[in-house]
Amino acid sequence: GIQVEQSPPDLILQEGANSTLRCNFSDSVNNLQWFHQNPWGQLINLFYIPSGTKQNGRLSATTVATERYSLLYISSSQTTDSGVYFCAVPGSSNTGKLIFGQGTTLQVKP
Amino acid sequence: EAQVTQNPRYLITVTGKKLTVTCSQNMNHEYMSWYRQDPGLGLRQIYYSMNVEVTDKGDVPEGYKVSRKEKRNFPLILESPSPNQTSLYFCASSYYINTEAFFGQGTRLTVV
Repeated sequence: GIQVEQSPPDLILQEGANSTLRCNFSDSVNNLQWFHQNPWGQLINLFYIPSGTKQNGRLSATTVATERYSLLYISSSQTTDSGVYFCAVPGSSNTGKLIFGQGTTLQVKP
Repeated sequence: EAQVTQNPRYLITVTGKKLTVTCSQNMNHEYMSWYRQDPGLGLRQIYYSMNVEVTDKGDVPEGYKVSRKEKRNFPLILESPSPNQTSLYFCASSYYINTEAFFGQGTRLTVV
């Protein structure tokens, strides 16, 4: 089945810094999502981005489907950005299952 | 507000005592599913439903039941919970299979 790898696994930033998170996937996909799991465990939708670039405030994402990767950019990070960031793609079986990467744990220090 | 609502958010129960975690979405989505999240194992699909009265097993269905009598609701039933079902559970919905998924707030279940 499709494999999803995220890097880096852990990231510590000072408030105000910028960062780039990467998601590689092993097979072609027709959609990709980025999520933020906050310290309370909630999974928050960030982007639905099969290809191209999208921006939402300080966050933006780019997916290059032909090269099988996606990037999540966080600019001017804030302590509320802390948590785990996941990318997810549809599995190869016809169940609608999402295959998640192992996540990037981000800690933003004040 | 468009959302997926799970209840309860937190639950501590004893082995063998039947429980139901409710999930409701107000987006008229056809596809719904349940996941559990465990440290080191990530999110794994338990059950899914393509539409009303159509449900099927995911990767880890043992010990769980579901039903889809109405489009908006997709409850997860644990007939006889065991400690290995202690986990963080998520309900998700999307308009169709493999379209943008929206997740509920999560239910943190502890079985003692």
